[in-house]
Amino acid sequence: DVKVTQSSRYLVKRTGEKVFLECVQDMDHENMFWYRQDPGLGLRLIYFSYDVKMKEKGDIPEGYSVSREKKERFSLILESASTNQTSMYLCASQEGGNTEAFFGQGTRLTVV
Amino acid sequence: QQQVKQSPQSLIVQKGGISIINCAYENTAFDYFPWYQQFPGKGPALLIAIRPDVSEKKEGRFTISFNKSAKQFSLHIMDSQPGDSATYFCAAKGNAGNMLTFGGGTRLMVKP
Repeated sequence: DVKVTQSSRYLVKRTGEKVFLECVQDMDHENMFWYRQDPGLGLRLIYFSYDVKMKEKGDIPEGYSVSREKKERFSLILESASTNQTSMYLCASQEGGNTEAFFGQGTRLTVV
Repeated sequence: QQQVKQSPQSLIVQKGGISIINCAYENTAFDYFPWYQQFPGKGPALLIAIRPDVSEKKEGRFTISFNKSAKQFSLHIMDSQPGDSATYFCAAKGNAGNMLTFGGGTRLMVKP
């Protein structure tokens, strides 16, 4: 069974902290994505990666960075967490083309 | 600015009824239109998808209707069941790159 695993289900961080969200996939997919989910706004793409060490900005990259040192792992970094980054974060992986994107269970981040 | 607009935001349907969710897009380069279903505490999962060379696709109780000239597509859930209660997202992908653009989501509740 295919699997995308996010390291934490819930996180509470303080304003200004550096936050790492980790995502691992076991499907040998080339493409990995980070989305944030907010009510009424759907899923908005933060960053994606189509290969190791490659990254591309999505629609809302400000305040975030990413790292992909290994094919199976894609990390989202909040350099200095702010309260407006309180959200549900979803990682996904995809083989490519018009194929199914597989999502992790999400990390609900609260910044106080 | 959402490139894919989804309506309604929430929907209540009686068991056995038909649930209809609509999406509209602007970008004529979109060529793949999936629907994702998300249950509470889970990541979204692919439900059904369509390409613009067909006007309708049916899988069990779920049907996508696609109107290329109007740039609209919709999800119909026939004989809706309480187990269908979830959030539904329409999405679209262009022919360059693997990024999905999501609608804002519809929270469906099917009453027994």
